[in-house]
Amino acid sequence: AQSVTQLGSHVSVSEGALVLLRCNYSSSVPPYLFWYVQYPNQGLQLLLKYTTGATLVKGINGFEAEFKKSETSFHLTKPSAHMSDAAEYFCAVSDRETSGSRLTFGEGTQLTVNP
Amino acid sequence: DAGITQSPRYKITETGRQVTLMCHQTWSHSYMFWYRQDLGHGLRLIYYSAAADITDKGEVPDGYVVSRSKTENFPLTLESATRSQTSVYFCAVTGGGNQPQHFGDGTRLSIL
Repeated sequence: AQSVTQLGSHVSVSEGALVLLRCNYSSSVPPYLFWYVQYPNQGLQLLLKYTTGATLVKGINGFEAEFKKSETSFHLTKPSAHMSDAAEYFCAVSDRETSGSRLTFGEGTQLTVNP
Repeated sequence: DAGITQSPRYKITETGRQVTLMCHQTWSHSYMFWYRQDLGHGLRLIYYSAAADITDKGEVPDGYVVSRSKTENFPLTLESATRSQTSVYFCAVTGGGNQPQHFGDGTRLSIL
């Protein structure tokens, strides 16, 4: 069975500061990993994904994440926060051997950006 | 081209009534999913479908029924709505493998 833990349901940063959202996963087989962002009253939008290859993946809006197998982590970072980054962020894992690309989501982290 | 469309966006109904939420995709992707999103629970999978006429239960299927007679449509029905089913419902689609899921804008359902 897969699981995802997002450390910190709420994270607050100042505009221009580093954004770090933590995600740890559990999977019995090599995982596919995803970060999604959700703005108010909208669906989830894909930020980035890790499938195979390079462990540092770059996504949209200046975000990136690094897959660390030894730490079972996939933390999301952005060097400099912008007000428009305020949203809820979800980490998700998919078992590549499970048919149907079923995703297991973390409970989400609400990011607040202060001026 | 909207890609994935959910309707209605907002719905208010009463306990005991039947309500159907619609999901339509324009890509002809194989896999479709229904999630509910509740505070403190993240997204939980209700049902999913691997192809037309193939559906399977997710994490929280009780009280819900799905069908998929056509590849592009995946309706979710609450046969007798209860207050505990008040939630935001999201439909998602993917072509499978390492492709990500794409989400609709959601249906906000309130059951009084």
